[in-house]
Amino acid sequence: SQQGEEDPQALSIQEGENATMNCSYKTSINNLQWYRQNSGRGLVHLILIRSNEREKHSGRLRVTLDTSKKSSSLLITASRAADTASYFCATVPNSGNTPLVFGKGTRLSVIA
Amino acid sequence: EADIYQTPRYLVIGTGKKITLECSQTMGHDKMYWYQQDPGMELHLIHYSYGVNSTEKGDLSSESTVSRIRTEHFPLTLESARPSHTSQYLCASSPLGSRFSGNTIYFGEGSWLTVV
Repeated sequence: SQQGEEDPQALSIQEGENATMNCSYKTSINNLQWYRQNSGRGLVHLILIRSNEREKHSGRLRVTLDTSKKSSSLLITASRAADTASYFCATVPNSGNTPLVFGKGTRLSVIA
Repeated sequence: EADIYQTPRYLVIGTGKKITLECSQTMGHDKMYWYQQDPGMELHLIHYSYGVNSTEKGDLSSESTVSRIRTEHFPLTLESARPSHTSQYLCASSPLGSRFSGNTIYFGEGSWLTVV
């Protein structure tokens, strides 16, 4: 069963605007990761945030984690057409040695 | 770029045929995975392995089988393909490490399978 749920399912913005995607999960986690997938390609790891961290930055990416609400957000600032892709959150559950569990993804379209 | 390779990238085959999707990684990762993903949809874990001679079924029931005879190689086989198997299959790997160290996964480019 899927652990993460991204919101919104699809997002369309103008170039230069900020894009915010949210992820909610159900069980306690070890860490949460965000991945990007260009159309027809494999996924690429973007950023990881551990359960004891609240915010993390990487270039134009900003990730927050609220373990009390079991949610995370990914902010892409000053978006570019090249940011057009699907974005997935993935969690590492605390229970057992289980693989990453991916959400359903947010499809981001950045219009030039 | 990750050093994980999938072949073939695209394949169209007839119903009932046996096919093997190849996946190899040169990073020495112990963990390897197969995900199935329909276009624009979520990923479903169908098989994974934590080392040689270790294989497990994932969350999504699949009629495919896998083997892990060598660390770098994790092929997926469909004994008798059906149209319902039409999908993208993504292979991935990650280092053993500790759970807290991340389990970051590195993906191949995917194999698009169409069964007619």
